[in-house]
Amino acid sequence: ETGVTQTPRHLVMGMTNKKSLKCEQHLGHNAMYWYKQSAKKPLELMFVYNFKEQTENNSVPSRFSPECPNSSHLFLHLHTLQPEDSALYLCASSQDWGANTGELFFGEGSRLTVL
Amino acid sequence: GQQVMQIPQYQHVQEGEDFTTYCNSSTTLSNIQWYKQRPGGHPVFLIQLVKSGEVKKQKRLTFQFGEAKKNSSLHITATQTTDVGTYFCATSKAAGNKLTFGGGTRVLVKP
Repeated sequence: ETGVTQTPRHLVMGMTNKKSLKCEQHLGHNAMYWYKQSAKKPLELMFVYNFKEQTENNSVPSRFSPECPNSSHLFLHLHTLQPEDSALYLCASSQDWGANTGELFFGEGSRLTVL
Repeated sequence: GQQVMQIPQYQHVQEGEDFTTYCNSSTTLSNIQWYKQRPGGHPVFLIQLVKSGEVKKQKRLTFQFGEAKKNSSLHITATQTTDVGTYFCATSKAAGNKLTFGGGTRVLVKP
C-alpha cells in the first residue's frame, strides 16, 4: 500500500474508444505526476501538476488529456489512441514540486492495451 | 536534453555474490535518487543523494554519489533472490527540475 491508488489496473481499448485512468493519493501531497513505462523506453514523464496547476507537459500528444480537479485526484483521459500507446501508466505524487521535490510515491499502475 | 545512462542494462548474478550498477551523466547533477521495481510491480524509492562524494548504506545496499556529481553507483553485497528487479536512477540537473529516469538495470539472481 503506497498511498497512491490507480484504477483501473488493466484496460483494453480499441483505437476509437474513450476511456479514463484515475489516480488518487492519500498522502496529503501537493504534486502529482503521470509517467509512461513501455518496454522500449525508460520511464517517461508526461505531466506534472502542482497545487492543481499543470507545471509540466512533456510534449505529450493531445490524445492524452490530463485533468486535476484537486490536489488529491488526477485523471488521464484517453481518446483515439494508437497501438504504440500500449504501456504501463504510472501515477506518482510528491510532497512538493520545485526546490524540494523529494521522493516520488508511485501507484501500482494501469496496464493499457490498445487494439 | 538531459540524458542519464545506466550500465549494465542486464545483470545476472549468482546468489551470494556482489554486483554494482552505475548511473552516468555528462552534466553535473543536483541530486540523484534510486528506485527499485520488482517484476510486475511499481517503482519504490530507495534513497536520495545530494552531496558530492556522499555514501549511504541500507543493509546490503551501498549508494555513492561521485565527487563531480556526474555519476552514482549502487553496490549490493551477498545478493539474495529478493534483490530481483529493475533498479533505476533518477536525476535532476537543478533543484526543482523534473526528474529524468535512467533506463534501469534489470537484475536476475541465479539460486
